[in-house]
Amino acid sequence: EIVLTQSPATLSLSPGERATLSCRASQSINTNLAWYQQRPGQAPRFLISDASNRATGIPVRFSGSGSGTDFTLTISSLEAEDSAVYYCQHRNNWPWTFGQGTKVEIK
Amino acid sequence: QVQLVESGGGVVQPGRSLRLSCAGSGFTFSSYGMHWVRQAPGKGLEWVAVTWYDGSNKYYADSVKGRFTISRDNSKNTLYLQMNTLRAEDTAVYFCATDRGRFGDYVDNWGQGALVTVSS
Repeated sequence: EIVLTQSPATLSLSPGERATLSCRASQSINTNLAWYQQRPGQAPRFLISDASNRATGIPVRFSGSGSGTDFTLTISSLEAEDSAVYYCQHRNNWPWTFGQGTKVEIK
Repeated sequence: QVQLVESGGGVVQPGRSLRLSCAGSGFTFSSYGMHWVRQAPGKGLEWVAVTWYDGSNKYYADSVKGRFTISRDNSKNTLYLQMNTLRAEDTAVYFCATDRGRFGDYVDNWGQGALVTVSS
């Protein structure tokens, strides 16, 4: 199965700063990657599909990039509500897998 | 809007069985693939299983293959997860979720989850 490795484990930034989250796949997955946000005590929320396409209703400050094995989720200007754990997930083949998550803390 | 409500969680002894249900509403249930995703306490997300919109294909995580069975009843707008030979490591919140398409596109809408605790 494909292993997704996310870094860093935790990111602590101030409101208005830029957040850059990384996801690396153990083999090429083209652009078959999604990103999800999970706030404390809530179900996950679908953010990005196909590595770079924002899901319906997702603010423009969220953007995704990458292909092959290296992917990035960028939050251009952090807001307090962005405090959450972010997961990447591939759909390249079965079984699908998630990364272990990156926690974004707002100072 | 899309609503997914899981039920059937609880405490079960190791080696026993449990069946989760997920009732869908606010969308055409029979037109979408459906997933189960779980999250152990304090841990990350783990994809568990998928069934295509018509139940014709199903895929599983290696950790549950041969023990768990995903199924659906489109006449009842309900998704199921039959869990057999449960282990302590199956303890988790189990989320029911819609696929964005029919055949395994992306997971998009999520339920609030049902807690399964495997303990003697």
